[in-house]
Amino acid sequence: EIVLTQSPATLSLSPGERATLSCRATQSVSTFLAWSQQRPGQAPRLLIYDASKRATGIPPRFSGSGSGTDFTLTISSLEPEDFAVYYCHQRNNWPRLTFGGGTKVEIK
Amino acid sequence: QLLLQESGPGLVRPSETLSLTCTVSGDSISSNNYYWGWIRQPPGKGLEWIGSMHYGGSAYYNPSLRSRVTISADTSKNQFSLRLHSVTAADAAVYYCARDSIAVAAFDFWGQGTLVTVSS
Repeated sequence: EIVLTQSPATLSLSPGERATLSCRATQSVSTFLAWSQQRPGQAPRLLIYDASKRATGIPPRFSGSGSGTDFTLTISSLEPEDFAVYYCHQRNNWPRLTFGGGTKVEIK
Repeated sequence: QLLLQESGPGLVRPSETLSLTCTVSGDSISSNNYYWGWIRQPPGKGLEWIGSMHYGGSAYYNPSLRSRVTISADTSKNQFSLRLHSVTAADAAVYYCARDSIAVAAFDFWGQGTLVTVSS
C-alpha cells in the first residue's frame, strides 16, 4: 500500500500569508496526486488533480506541484475561507486509493 | 446542479450490517465517465476509501475492508449503495458518497456525508 505522509500536521498562519503544504509518498505515484479541502462540518472539495491542475472553479491562489514522491500545495495568499484541513490522495496503483492524514491550516 | 445525498440508518448494532444509499441527481450513474464511490471519516480522523463501482458492474474495494463490503447500483433509481457487514465500533464514522471522475482521476464531487454510530 502506498502511504501518504502530510506535513506539517498543523500550520498556523495569518490571512494574507502564503501556505505551503507537503505530501510525501512511500513510492512513486507519478502525477496521480490530488488535493482536497475540507472546511469544518463540510464535505471535502477537490482543489487540484494530476498534481498541478486546478479543478473547476478553484481560484488561482491555489497551486500544486511535484511528481513521483514529493508534492506541494501552495496557497499564495490566505483568505478567511481557506482555513481548513487539506488532504492529499493518490490513485497511481488504482484501484488502491489512499489518502494522507491531512494538514490543518489554522488562523494564527 | 449535481447533488449526491446519502441516506440510511444513523445507528447500527455491532455485528449487524450497515446499509447506506446515495441518490444522485443532476448526472447519471450510467455514465461511462465516472465511477461512484464511498469514503468514510471516523470522528476526528482522516479519510479512508471504502470502494468504488462502475455502473457496468465492476467494483473495487479497499483491501482492508474487501471481505465485508459490497457496493452496487440501481440505475433505474440513479442510486448506488454500500453494505458493510459485521460492523464494530471501529466502523463508526461519517460516510460520504462521491463521484469518482475517470478524466481527473479523483473524487471530484462529494455528498454532505451521514454519521453512522455503532452501538447496542
